[in-house]
Amino acid sequence: EVQLLESGGGLLQPGGSVRLSCAVSGFTFPTYVMSWVRQAPGKGLEWVAAINGGGGITYYADSVKGRFTISRDNSKNTLYLQMNSLRAEDTAVYYCAKETTKYSGTYYYYYGMDAWGQGTTVTVSS
Amino acid sequence: EIVLTQSPGTLSLSPGERATLSCRASQSVSSGYLAWYQQKPGQAPRLLIYAASSRATGIPDRFSGSGSGTDFTLTISRLEPEDFAVYYCQHYDSSSRTFGQGTKLEI
Repeated sequence: EVQLLESGGGLLQPGGSVRLSCAVSGFTFPTYVMSWVRQAPGKGLEWVAAINGGGGITYYADSVKGRFTISRDNSKNTLYLQMNSLRAEDTAVYYCAKETTKYSGTYYYYYGMDAWGQGTTVTVSS
Repeated sequence: EIVLTQSPGTLSLSPGERATLSCRASQSVSSGYLAWYQQKPGQAPRLLIYAASSRATGIPDRFSGSGSGTDFTLTISRLEPEDFAVYYCQHYDSSSRTFGQGTKLEI
């Protein structure tokens, strides 16, 4: 059974830092792209960052670029999100998600974010 | 950057009725990179449809997706009580992902 379990959220001060973790099991972690997606209270979903299976390629939403860092430790089956220079607008539930993609040699096939964690809440307030 | 606009914002229907949800992209996108998710209150999103029209594992066949170019549709043929939720479309690009703002399906 595929499982993703986020942790690390809490009440943080503006300008502060926190590292979120996402421990996974039930699939071959190093072979999958992983993303962080957040949801502000009462709002929709916002993609935050993605990382390839090997960890060497990362992408970020403009809203977090330069402040957040996505990383992974494939030996520990764990995904991370280091969040620095926190702002009130970073307040949200943060989900990690497994993405399935396949490269045929000429085309990337995308099978969606097919597994999600239950989320961890980050509140940024003084 | 691609913007996804979903309509309507809220859809009020009854069990047994047919639901049609729209997702419009700001520019033409590959149907292979369009997905739909369902989210119930207090729960994580769940993948329903990928590649615009392929159902994810375990998704009932009353859910179907269609569309191409800039216009995509999620159809629920006969609403069950458990289908009342918020639905999001999502576009994949190798360097980013984008979600629509969501459609709330209510009784």
